[in-house]
Amino acid sequence: DGGITQSPKYLFRKEGQNVTLSCEQNLNHDAMYWYRQDPGQGLRLIYYSQIVNDFQKGDIAEGYSVSREKKESFPLTVTSAQKNPTAFYLCASTLPGNEQFFGPGTRLTVL
Amino acid sequence: AQTVTQSQPEMSVQEAETVTLSCTYDTSESDYYLFWYKQPPSRQMILVIRQEAYKQQNATENRFSVNFQKAAKSFSLKISDSQLGDAAMYFCAYRSGLYNQGGKLIFGQGTELSVKP
Repeated sequence: DGGITQSPKYLFRKEGQNVTLSCEQNLNHDAMYWYRQDPGQGLRLIYYSQIVNDFQKGDIAEGYSVSREKKESFPLTVTSAQKNPTAFYLCASTLPGNEQFFGPGTRLTVL
Repeated sequence: AQTVTQSQPEMSVQEAETVTLSCTYDTSESDYYLFWYKQPPSRQMILVIRQEAYKQQNATENRFSVNFQKAAKSFSLKISDSQLGDAAMYFCAYRSGLYNQGGKLIFGQGTELSVKP
């Protein structure tokens, strides 16, 4: 079945540690996105990529990094520079002009 | 910059009744799309309905319909014959039609809908 997978479902990070969240899609979508969701707030865009080997910062990119080496994959690294990383992270993908499809999300908790 | 506002943090509806969720947005663009997404307790984001700004006709999907008022920049969602499975967080979202905007979505803060049996 086509879809978007995110792993792990739950992730725990110690202070000062970098962690990487995985996002894979087999929908042959060109564009991929990372959003952060905090309680009581809507989703906010972290990074997005419209084509391989290219990506753009979103509204809250500080403390995060991404790569897009393959069309199917768009991993997100939460670095130690991100001061408040505890949140729910959602990955999405789309074809131009179409609606975004979302993965099941990763819950990141800082210990 | 575009913004999306949902002024109702929580709403409640009786099963089988109708409820309307409000959304307003601000943009200077003429080419854009509007969406309603549903996020149940599983936290999976599910597309409910989409509306192209150039279309005057309001979109409908079974029990879900929108009231798109372009001049007023209003995009409300009506849920008819509410069911227990409709209980979820609902997000209104905006997407520019310009390719250089990357297809990114701008979300409202969400409305938590509860359905009473």
